[in-house]
Amino acid sequence: AQSVTQLGSHVSVSEGALVLLRCNYSSSVPPYLFWYVQYPNQGLQLLLKYTSAATLVKGINGFEAEFKKSETSFHLTKPSAHMSDAAEYFCAVSDPGNKLVFGAGTILRVKS
Amino acid sequence: DTGVSQDPRHKITKRGQNVTFRCDPISEHNRLYWYRQTLGQGPEFLTYFQNEAQLEKSRLLSDRFSAERPKGSFSTLEIQRTEQGDSAMYLCASSLGQSDLGYTFGSGTRLTVV
Repeated sequence: AQSVTQLGSHVSVSEGALVLLRCNYSSSVPPYLFWYVQYPNQGLQLLLKYTSAATLVKGINGFEAEFKKSETSFHLTKPSAHMSDAAEYFCAVSDPGNKLVFGAGTILRVKS
Repeated sequence: DTGVSQDPRHKITKRGQNVTFRCDPISEHNRLYWYRQTLGQGPEFLTYFQNEAQLEKSRLLSDRFSAERPKGSFSTLEIQRTEQGDSAMYLCASSLGQSDLGYTFGSGTRLTVV
């Protein structure tokens, strides 16, 4: 069965600094991988997805993620943090055709 | 495309009461999912429909929970004899076909059982 581990339940960065949110997955077949963002009292919004095309995936709001099969990782990055990036971020994995399985989430805090 | 709508946004109920939530997916989406999210956790899968057929249910979905999607359009999630442990955010999502496209989530229904 597929699973996701997000390293670090809380990450704090200064405004303008690099954002790095870590995600490792476990899947018995080539996975589809996703990052979602959730603002307080709202649903989840899709940031980006990997579906076996390019290993470097660009998403909305300047975020990108790189699929590394050898490391079973799909870390989320953004070169320069903005105050509006403060939110909770979820990594998710899906076997093709199946439901999404989410990690526990990482809360990103951006300091001014 | 008005997105995925969930109603109500908030529900406070007394323990032992029944509650029902509604989800209206994006109209052309044939798959509809229900997830539950508790504080500090990621969303946990409850069940999903393809059109009107309920194809999978999680072990989290006890006998007190039932979901329907009549005519393959909106869906309802009912919880009978609510317990304090049912307090959570209930999220609905929809997709067109398989999950490789990602889901579109609604804003959720926050249930508080007192």
